Amino acid sequence: GQQLNQSPQSMFIQEGEDVSMNCTSSSIFNTWLWYKQEPGEGPVLLIALYKAGELTSNGRLTAQFGITRKDSFLNISASIPSDVGIYFCAGNGGATNKLIFGTGTLLAVQP
Amino acid sequence: EAQVTQNPRYLITVTGKKLTVTCSQNMNHEYMSWYRQDPGLGLRQIYYSMNVEVTDKGDVPEGYKVSRKEKRNFPLILESPSPNQTSLYFCASSRAHSSDTIYFGEGSWLTVV
Repeated sequence: GQQLNQSPQSMFIQEGEDVSMNCTSSSIFNTWLWYKQEPGEGPVLLIALYKAGELTSNGRLTAQFGITRKDSFLNISASIPSDVGIYFCAGNGGATNKLIFGTGTLLAVQP
Repeated sequence: EAQVTQNPRYLITVTGKKLTVTCSQNMNHEYMSWYRQDPGLGLRQIYYSMNVEVTDKGDVPEGYKVSRKEKRNFPLILESPSPNQTSLYFCASSRAHSSDTIYFGEGSWLTVV
């Protein structure tokens, strides 16, 4: 099945640093979503994007829907230890609820 | 509280022994689906259901069955589990045609030996 290319695969950073990760696809998407998964939990929605070029923030998180509709990025500013987890992008290309997920970015934050 | 509940959360079983992972949601959502999560592969959809008695294959349906007899329940059935089905499984639900309302369960760790 189709997958999104998500990078980087993992990041090990110091508390206070900014983080950036992105996803690219060969297909156009109508919706881009960013999820965070903490150990032992299911993914939880962070940000949803609906229009090309849209820039949306949720606290220290900012995500953008690429102009070409084939990519999206997520930035986390001033990281803190509780930001640790796996971040997934997901895209939805049609009128159904089917999501295509990226392979995930593992984020580790050292205090 | 909005919830997607999966059971069991953890299971070790033997090859060929049929098992069922249950999933229940309390949000009256039309859409439910099952994913498996494997290292380096992200989440891949196994089966989905747009409504009661309507199910369809996702990207990796081989070796799995599902049923949707009631709106709130969407069990995942492994008729004859094999070691390559060792994985972390997530059930999810959402309103129809509204992927940004997808809620995930807490996951079921399945090991097939």
